[in-house]
Amino acid sequence: GQQVMQIPQYQHVQEGEDFTTYCNSSTTLSNIQWYKQRPGGHPVFLIQLVKSGEVKKQKRLTFQFGEAKKNSSLHITATQTTDVGTYFCAGLSRNSGYALNFGKGTSLLVTP
Amino acid sequence: NAGVTQTPKFQVLKTGQSMTLQCAQDMNHEYMSWYRQDPGMGLRLIHYSVGAGITDQGEVPNGYNVSRSTTEDFPLRLLSAAPSQTSVYFCASRGQGLSSPLHFGNGTRLTVT
Repeated sequence: GQQVMQIPQYQHVQEGEDFTTYCNSSTTLSNIQWYKQRPGGHPVFLIQLVKSGEVKKQKRLTFQFGEAKKNSSLHITATQTTDVGTYFCAGLSRNSGYALNFGKGTSLLVTP
Repeated sequence: NAGVTQTPKFQVLKTGQSMTLQCAQDMNHEYMSWYRQDPGMGLRLIHYSVGAGITDQGEVPNGYNVSRSTTEDFPLRLLSAAPSQTSVYFCASRGQGLSSPLHFGNGTRLTVT
């Protein structure tokens, strides 16, 4: 079945440094969604990418969807302590039917 | 709107006990689902439902039952709890369309001893 791989599993940065997490799917995706989970909290939807090569920005966060719609990335510029949490990508494809397949997430720790 | 409400927030069970995790949403969402989250494993889909009376298995369905008698409620049943079911459980729903975002509940932390 479809698998969504996400790397790295953990990332520890100093405040002000940049951060990137990558997602790769074994199959072509219809769309990809990104979620953020704060420590002790629940996942919260950030954004969705649908088009091949799409790039979207939310303040310091930049999301990209690959040309082949098999990979995606989330880049955070100049991290802040409020960015701490786990970032998940989740892909939807014909093979997955109605269900989103989540990557295992990247846990980001930001030290001041 | 309360969104997605899960109860209880915490639960401790002994091996072999049964219990039901409750999930309710007030957004009139047709799609509802249950995930479990374990360290290093991400979110794994247990069961999902695309509407009242319709349920289907996800990635890790063994040991869990679900039913969907109403649009609002989607309970998850553990018939005979096992230590391997110690986890954090999230219920999530989404609105019309496959590309709608998931709305998660606050989670239930379950420990089976």
